[in-house]
Amino acid sequence: DTEVTQTPKHLVMGMTNKKSLKCEQHMGHRAMYWYKQKAKKPPELMFVYSYEKLSINESVPSRFSPECPNSSLLNLHLHALQPEDSALYLCASSQPLVTYPLREQFFGPGTRLTVL
Amino acid sequence: AQSVTQLDSQVPVFEEAPVELRCNYSSSVSVYLFWYVQYPNQGLQLLLKYLSGSTLVKGINGFEAEFNKSQTSFHLRKPSVHISDTAEYFCAVSESSGGSNYKLTFGKGTLLTVNP
Repeated sequence: DTEVTQTPKHLVMGMTNKKSLKCEQHMGHRAMYWYKQKAKKPPELMFVYSYEKLSINESVPSRFSPECPNSSLLNLHLHALQPEDSALYLCASSQPLVTYPLREQFFGPGTRLTVL
Repeated sequence: AQSVTQLDSQVPVFEEAPVELRCNYSSSVSVYLFWYVQYPNQGLQLLLKYLSGSTLVKGINGFEAEFNKSQTSFHLRKPSVHISDTAEYFCAVSESSGGSNYKLTFGKGTLLTVNP
C-alpha cells in the first residue's frame, strides 16, 4: 500500500469554527509532513513530524495546531482561521529522516479548505 | 540553502509532439532531484527521481530526465505527449546530507498544456 489518504476532500469553515484535517498512511513511514499550497504555487512546508514528535515548525501561526497520535495518523487542527488561509492542504510521508536522507515523499490528494 | 528554477511557467504543445521542461538548481552540497506532477485538484505524484548513479533517469508515463552536474540541470523530457499529460509539473531538490535533508525545495512549477 503506497497510498496516503486525507479527509475530508473539501472543507468550508467560518472564521470562528474549529475543524480538523486528517491524514493516514500505512507504508510504515515514520516521517510525516503538512504542506499548504495556494493556487498556481508550489507547496509550502508547514510542519514535519519524525517518530511522532514535532521536529520542524516553519513559523506557522498558532491557529494551526498539528498532532500525531500514532505512527500512521497525522491531524491538523484549525481554529480562528482567516480567509487568506484558504488553500489546498497536503499531507506527505517518507522514510524516517534520522536514518534515511530524504529519498522521496508520498503525497496525499489534499484537502481543499475554504475559509469564509 | 538550495534553490530551484523552472525556466518556463507555461509550456503549450500539440499532442504527439516532444516536450522538454527545464529545471536548474543551486546548492552548496550534493542533492537528490525529483520531478512531481500535479493533475487538477489532486495531490503530487512522483514522476521520477535522481539519487545517484546513471544520469539518465526513466520515470512513469514515458517521462525521463537527465542530471547534468556541470550545468546544475535536471530537465524533464517526453518524446510524444498525450492530452492526459496536461498538468502542473514541479521540479524539487533535497540535500543528500546535513541538517536540512528533511526539506524538499520546489520550483515554481511549469503548466504543461497539451492541445489536440
